[in-house]
Amino acid sequence: EAGVAQSPRYKIIEKRQSVAFWCNPISGHATLYWYQQILGQGPKLLIQFQNNGVVDDSQLPKDRFSAERLKGVDSTLKIQPAKLEDSAVYLCASSSGGGRAFFGQGTRLTVV
Amino acid sequence: QKEVEQNSGPLSVPEGAIASLNCTYSDRGSQSFFWYRQYSGKSPELIMFIYSNGDKEDGRFTAQLNKASQYVSLLIRDSQPSDSATYLCAVGGGADGLTFGKGTHLIIQP
Repeated sequence: EAGVAQSPRYKIIEKRQSVAFWCNPISGHATLYWYQQILGQGPKLLIQFQNNGVVDDSQLPKDRFSAERLKGVDSTLKIQPAKLEDSAVYLCASSSGGGRAFFGQGTRLTVV
Repeated sequence: QKEVEQNSGPLSVPEGAIASLNCTYSDRGSQSFFWYRQYSGKSPELIMFIYSNGDKEDGRFTAQLNKASQYVSLLIRDSQPSDSATYLCAVGGGADGLTFGKGTHLIIQP
C-alpha cells in the first residue's frame, strides 16, 4: 500500500513570497490533516478535512494560510505571504478512522 | 486549549533494559491515545494506539492508559540502539485531529 505522498521535500523562499505544498493521501482515507512542526516541538494541527469538507481549522492562520481538498482526495496548503516564523516542516497525514494518522515525509520550509 | 505534556528528556537507558515514557493530557473527553516514534529528520511513525483503560502489548512495546489519572505511558522492553528516537504522545477526541506533546528524546546506550 502506497503511503502519503508530499511535494516538494524542501523549499526555500524569501519572506513575503508565497508557497504551496501538495499532498496525496493513502488511497481510501477520508480524513486528511495538515500539521506544522517547528524544530523541537510536536506537530501542531493546522487543518483537518473529512472528504472535501473542513472539520477543524481553528489553528490555521487564515490571514496568510489557506488549504483546499478538491474532490476529496489531493490537498494543497498555501502560505501567502510567508513570514520568518513559518519556517517549519509541514506534514500531511491521512486516516481511515479511529484517529490513527499516517504521515507523509513532510516538506521542510525555510523562509529567509 | 487541549494540552499534552511530556518530559523532553533526554532519557538515557542501557541497551537491554526497559525504557519507560510518560505523558499526561488535559482533556477528560479524550478518547484515543497514540505513540509515535520520530527519528531525526524523519516524519512521525505510528507505533502504538490504545482506546481503553489498561495495557496493550505489541511485541516489545506496551502502551498503558489510565483515564482517571489522565495518564498514558509507553514501555519498551529489551531496548535496542535502534529505539533511540523522539517519542511523541498524541491524544484525540473521536473525530478530532490529534494533539501532540513535544516529545521525549530517548537514547539507548550500547
